[in-house]
Amino acid sequence: DAGITQSPRYKITETGRQVTLMCHQTWSHSYMFWYRQDLGHGLRLIYYSAAADITDKGEVPDGYVVSRSKTENFPLTLESATRSQTSVYFCASSDYSSGTFHQPQHFGDGTRLSIL
Amino acid sequence: SQQGEEDPQALSIQEGENATMNCSYKTSINNLQWYRQNSGRGLVHLILIRSNEREKHSGRLRVTLDTSKKSSSLLITASRAADTASYFCATSPQTGANNLFFGTGTRLTVIP
Repeated sequence: DAGITQSPRYKITETGRQVTLMCHQTWSHSYMFWYRQDLGHGLRLIYYSAAADITDKGEVPDGYVVSRSKTENFPLTLESATRSQTSVYFCASSDYSSGTFHQPQHFGDGTRLSIL
Repeated sequence: SQQGEEDPQALSIQEGENATMNCSYKTSINNLQWYRQNSGRGLVHLILIRSNEREKHSGRLRVTLDTSKKSSSLLITASRAADTASYFCATSPQTGANNLFFGTGTRLTVIP
């Protein structure tokens, strides 16, 4: 089915471990985004990508790494997880290929990550 | 922070009543968008209003935008229990970046 999928849906890990969250979209949207959602902060942008091999920092990039070798995939890696990175992570995509900013973002159902 | 702020933080109404949520933001924008989030799910886009528009309708939704006051409102008419969710406004800044800045949301509860 077309859409945007995130995996895993739930993950528990320990501080210092590396963990990778996966995001896959089937629309061939040019832009992809990673957000974290925490109580009291709403959604905050971690990283985004305008196309394959093009990524840029968002509001809260420290401690995270992204890559985009293929248009449809945009994995997010926590290289050495910390308790402060416990959060719900959302991936989104958007089609800005028409050159207009007036496009919605389409979200996955999130990954709930707990770091002990 | 460029985040918007929604008001109220929580709203509880009876089914059939109207629900109004407000959003204030800080920077000049290209557009403002509203999203809904059901518990445990991702955000779903509801409506987009451009900076040169003042009002927009979609089904039971009515959105207004006042760029001079840097504020927007979302009205849901004849609410249903299924409208129970969190609602977020998001602004697309005029800086040229294709990013959205989200508010902290309004939690709407519609009582059957």
